[in-house]
Amino acid sequence: AQKITQTQPGMFVQEKEAVTLDCTYDTSDPSYGLFWYKQPSSGEMIFLIYQGSYDQQNATEGRYSLNFQKARKSANLVISASQLGDSAMYFCAMREGDDYKLSFGAGTTVTVRA
Amino acid sequence: DAGVIQSPRHEVTEMGQEVTLRCKPISGHDYLFWYRQTMMRGLELLIYFNNNVPIDDSGMPEDRFSAKMPNASFSTLKIQPSEPRDSAVYFCASSEPGGYGYTFGSGTRLTVV
Repeated sequence: AQKITQTQPGMFVQEKEAVTLDCTYDTSDPSYGLFWYKQPSSGEMIFLIYQGSYDQQNATEGRYSLNFQKARKSANLVISASQLGDSAMYFCAMREGDDYKLSFGAGTTVTVRA
Repeated sequence: DAGVIQSPRHEVTEMGQEVTLRCKPISGHDYLFWYRQTMMRGLELLIYFNNNVPIDDSGMPEDRFSAKMPNASFSTLKIQPSEPRDSAVYFCASSEPGGYGYTFGSGTRLTVV
């Protein structure tokens, strides 16, 4: 079964607008961590934001925020004030319990239009 | 910190040849991961180590693949013999204790012809 589901293969967003990337996860472990990574066309994997399952508040890092809805098992990434440099593939990932491996979703391609 | 260092960045080899990919993790990170990225299968974990010991190698495709971590600052992923279907980007990543921060290397783009 898929542990991480990203249902949006590709999205377009206008520069300076906000965009929300969907991510749902599946785990029975009460302790887990959720991550978002950015992969630009150059290919490197860039860490954006982390949310722990016991964190009371939604994580934020600059223009990135994570909309964590535990009951719905969703961890959507919000990018505010989009910039042309935000055009990239975005991956949602999860670590479960004491298992340190990350399971990745299929990714969402974001294209920012000027 | 120089980050996770992978070499080579690009590798083109002929089918049947041995390929060795190298990785130097971030100092102090005690977890090391090898991932493979393809268009068809996305990002998939091949193997990971904790304190140089392999913990989970269930993602290693077959006996042609092997990975070692002889010390805390070096790991190799070897494919012998290589096949065209092994063509992919191979990432090495390391993580600090606690598993809150995973840093990826720049990847090795392998092409087997």
